[in-house]
Amino acid sequence: DAKTTQPTSMDCAEGRAANLPCNHSTISGNEYVYWYRQIHSQGPQYIIHGLKNNETNEMASLIITEDRKSSTLILPHATLRDTAVYYCIVSTGNMLTFGGGTRLMVKP
Amino acid sequence: NAGVMQNPRHLVRRRGQEARLRCSPMKGHSHVYWYRQLPEEGLKFMVYLQKENIIDESGMPKERFSAEFPKEGPSILRIQQVVRGDSAAYFCASSPEGWAEETQYFGPGTRLLVL
Repeated sequence: DAKTTQPTSMDCAEGRAANLPCNHSTISGNEYVYWYRQIHSQGPQYIIHGLKNNETNEMASLIITEDRKSSTLILPHATLRDTAVYYCIVSTGNMLTFGGGTRLMVKP
Repeated sequence: NAGVMQNPRHLVRRRGQEARLRCSPMKGHSHVYWYRQLPEEGLKFMVYLQKENIIDESGMPKERFSAEFPKEGPSILRIQQVVRGDSAAYFCASSPEGWAEETQYFGPGTRLLVL
């Protein structure tokens, strides 16, 4: 699976949009971009995934650049409960490779 | 809809004992994945199973670790003769199929502590 690069940590004010970037410059044509988050030491929670089109669901939006070498996860109105480690993963689905992720701290 | 179930949630073993971790996938899911998370690290893939078949065990340690997913019942991750380095959180995930865009849904994990 391709490697991803994410900032180690980010802060966001409560109620504002949180934009989490991810670089995946070596992504292959058949690899999807997945986003998961892990709140404290709970099991990872699926957020969203996409191949090349932008995606939106009730939790977040995923913006993938046209060349697919990077993406951004957008939490439109961050709350304190969104404080977590966010993992960007590129995968064909069978094996998820978790990197260090971005530790998002939502502050009041 | 019940999610992925794992038990026990916490397990304490002494060095040399056996640990058995159980995972019941979501209803309708026939694919199971096991991951291990050492303290302060990300999750590492261990093994991918379908019913009665091991599909990919490239992340499994060569010795003492085994996994199965029988026709009936939960998937089992078995660790024989545990050592302190096995202390970690073990997460199970399941998906309906093994296709590229099938999302994996994770359970709450089993925290193994080896004394």
